[in-house]
Amino acid sequence: RKEVEQDPGPFNVPEGATVAFNCTYSNSASQSFFWYRQDCRKEPKLLMSVYSSGNEDGRFTAQLNRASQYISLLIRDSKLSDSATYLCVVNPSGTYKYIFGTGTRLKVLA
Amino acid sequence: SQTIHQWPATLVQPVGSPLSLECTVEGTSNPNLYWYRQAAGRGLQLLFYSVGIGQISSEVPQNLSASRPQDRQFILSSKKLLLSDSGFYLCAWSVSGGFDEQYFGPGTRLTVT
Repeated sequence: RKEVEQDPGPFNVPEGATVAFNCTYSNSASQSFFWYRQDCRKEPKLLMSVYSSGNEDGRFTAQLNRASQYISLLIRDSKLSDSATYLCVVNPSGTYKYIFGTGTRLKVLA
Repeated sequence: SQTIHQWPATLVQPVGSPLSLECTVEGTSNPNLYWYRQAAGRGLQLLFYSVGIGQISSEVPQNLSASRPQDRQFILSSKKLLLSDSGFYLCAWSVSGGFDEQYFGPGTRLTVT
């Protein structure tokens, strides 16, 4: 089993739609979780950290479910500019390493 | 504010040639530093990380090496490039001692011919 798994997609959604991505992780002791966005041929950019209580930033909401070992990202009112690959990142407890999922591609259609 | 620089932005090198990629961070002290490689259409592969000057941890034994000669400088090297070394090389930093967010440089796109 991979340490971090994501559905590669692509998710093709119309503008204004709500879309959700899940990411599962295998190390139950993981302590830090993040979502990054990567545009084609660009570096990953931090979208948001994921806290135990969940967090929201505008149209984006992230949730953590430790019992089931997954994190989620919800995007409301999708914009064309949201088209990108979304990377799930986990930091296993006691290490300085960050484990990246292979990403979920999102394409928002006009 | 903190910034991270990488150069060169693009590089085309023949098989068997040496490689040196440089990464520098500004606006922070004693950062954790990382080198990743992303092959076309693939995920990020951690190559090396460093928690201090001269401290390098290798994740993938291959023909690459890394050095950290100064606090905010991280160098990725190879003596002889292979075709399989082609990819997008990303440097990243995070705050020392914590498990906070990572921030990436703009990357170097390497093509080995």
